[in-house]
Formats: sequence, structure tokens, C-alpha cells
Amino acid sequence: EDKVVQSPLSLVVHEGDTVTLNCSYEVTNFRSLLWYKQEKKAPTFLFMLTSSGIEKKSGRLSSILDKKELFSILNITATQTGDSAVYLCATPRYNFNKFYFGSGTKLNVKP
Amino acid sequence: DVKVTQSSRYLVKRTGEKVFLECVQDMDHENMFWYRQDPGLGLRLIYFSYDVKMKEKGDIPEGYSVSREKKERFSLILESASTNQTSMYLCASQSTNEKLFFGSGTQLSVL
Repeated sequence: EDKVVQSPLSLVVHEGDTVTLNCSYEVTNFRSLLWYKQEKKAPTFLFMLTSSGIEKKSGRLSSILDKKELFSILNITATQTGDSAVYLCATPRYNFNKFYFGSGTKLNVKP
Repeated sequence: DVKVTQSSRYLVKRTGEKVFLECVQDMDHENMFWYRQDPGLGLRLIYFSYDVKMKEKGDIPEGYSVSREKKERFSLILESASTNQTSMYLCASQSTNEKLFFGSGTQLSVL
């Protein structure tokens, strides 16, 4: 059965800490993996990963995909309270128009 | 930037009422989606539409219907609201490179 699993489910850190969020997947005909950040509003797009071993980076956030071991990680360095959110990963299903979503990791960054 | 607008941020309805949730996107995307998001369950697909008047059931379509009379507008209908439909509802549209763009969500409470 195809699935996407995120870990941990929740995480509490202090400002300045570095965090690593995990997303493992088992899907037929894998094409890409997407990361989203969801605060108290719409999930916003962070990264799309298609190639194994190539890091995507945006400021303090970075992500990498391992297609052999079937997982991706999202790293956040020097965390800030504004990083507090739910982080979602998703991958398109075989028929392209639908996505499998993980249940999300809730990150709480304390001052 | 893509804009996906959901008409209501919060809604409170009574059991048995007919409920309409509206979603409008401004990027001429063909694919639009309705998800519901519940704690611990992640995002679950209710319906999606791949063109005007074209729709397909998602994973949890029971108790819901949809309407897509114009390309930019995708409506979710709860024919007779029930308490187990209390949830956050997210609309999304999809660009040609597979990215999903989400609306801000509608928190529906059915009493």
C-alpha cells in the first residue's frame, strides 16, 4: 500500500536550535516529493525534489531526497519562532493528479 | 503569484443544513482539489476536478458533492451536514509542474 510517513509528529525546540524533519515514502512510480509549511492558514510551498542527492536550499531551510532509501529530510538551522508551523510532505500518486500527504510534523520553536 | 481564495474562514452550521464552500483561483489552472484536514490524519482528498464540469471522487467523497461550472471556481457541497464533517477544509489548484497552491482554509463546525 502506498503511503507517506512523517516523523516526528511533533517537536519542541528553542530558538537557535537546528531541527531535522523526516519524510519516508512508499509509492508506485515515484516522480517527486514536495514540502509545505502550514501556519494558521494555507500550506505554502517550500521545495520540490525529484533527483536523489541534490540539496535544495532556501535561506535557513534545506532539503534532500534519497531515492534509494525512500526518504527526504527537511533541515532548519538557527530556528526562529516564526518557523513554528506544521510541515507537510507529499508525493504525487501514479495518476498524477492526486497526492499522498504525510500527517505532518508540528514544530514549536520557543523563544 | 497564484491566488486561491476560499470564501469563508470560519463557518458554524447546524446538523442537517446544506453547506456550500466556495473556492476561486486566478491562474487558469485546470486541476482543482478539495481536501479536509483533521488532527493526526493529515490531508485527505474529497474530490478533484480536472476541467469544467469534470470531477472525480477522492478518498472520502461520502456526504459531499462538488460543482465546477467555471474554470476558476470549484465548490464543495455538504448536502446534509453532520457533526463528523466538522473539520478544516482546504481547496487547492495545481500548476502544470505539479505544484499545489492552497487556499487559506475554511474551519467548519457542525453543531
